Amino acid sequence: EVHLVESGGDLVQPGGSLRLSCVGSGFTFSVYSISWVRQAPGKGLEWVSYISHTGTTAYYADSVKGRFTISRDNAKDSVSLQMDSLRVEDTAVYYCARDEGFCTDGGCYRWFASWGQGTLVTVSS
Amino acid sequence: DIQMTQSPSTLSASVGDRVTITCRASQSISTWLAWYQQKPGKAPNLLIHQASTLESGVPSRFSGGGSGTEFTLTVSSLQPDDFATYYCQQYNSYPYTFGQGTKLEIK
Repeated sequence: EVHLVESGGDLVQPGGSLRLSCVGSGFTFSVYSISWVRQAPGKGLEWVSYISHTGTTAYYADSVKGRFTISRDNAKDSVSLQMDSLRVEDTAVYYCARDEGFCTDGGCYRWFASWGQGTLVTVSS
Repeated sequence: DIQMTQSPSTLSASVGDRVTITCRASQSISTWLAWYQQKPGKAPNLLIHQASTLESGVPSRFSGGGSGTEFTLTVSSLQPDDFATYYCQQYNSYPYTFGQGTKLEIK
């Protein structure tokens, strides 16, 4: 059974840093790309970042670009999200998700097939 | 960025009803669309990908349709477990974007 577990969420002051971790089990972690999706309290879902299965390609939402860095360690079946210069508006539950999809001549298309339970990040003074 | 708009935002219905949620994209996304169900305090759960492909284990009363810019999620006969919030999501191009959600409530 696919299992994703996030950790690292905490209360942090504006301008501070936090590192989230996502550990996978029940599947061959190194062949899947991973994404982070967040949800502010009482709000909808927002895609945050993507990392390819090899770790060589990463994408970010404009709202976090230049402040967040995604990375992975396939030897440890884990993906990390380093969050710097945190803002109040970054307050949210952060989910990691295993991507499913495929690539064609027109591009690559991935949906979020399996999700972790989420970890809460609160940015407040 | 591609904007996704769902309607209605809230839908009141009864057990046994047939309901349809609509999702519109600001530009064509072919069939690169997924639907998720989310219950309070839980992570989203994938229901449908590629607009109409039902995920394994999802009841057949759920169905998806559409292409281009207009899509639908239909529940043929609502069950008590179906009352939740539903999101559409486009994966035609990054940044991937979600609709604002449709809350399905018990009438």
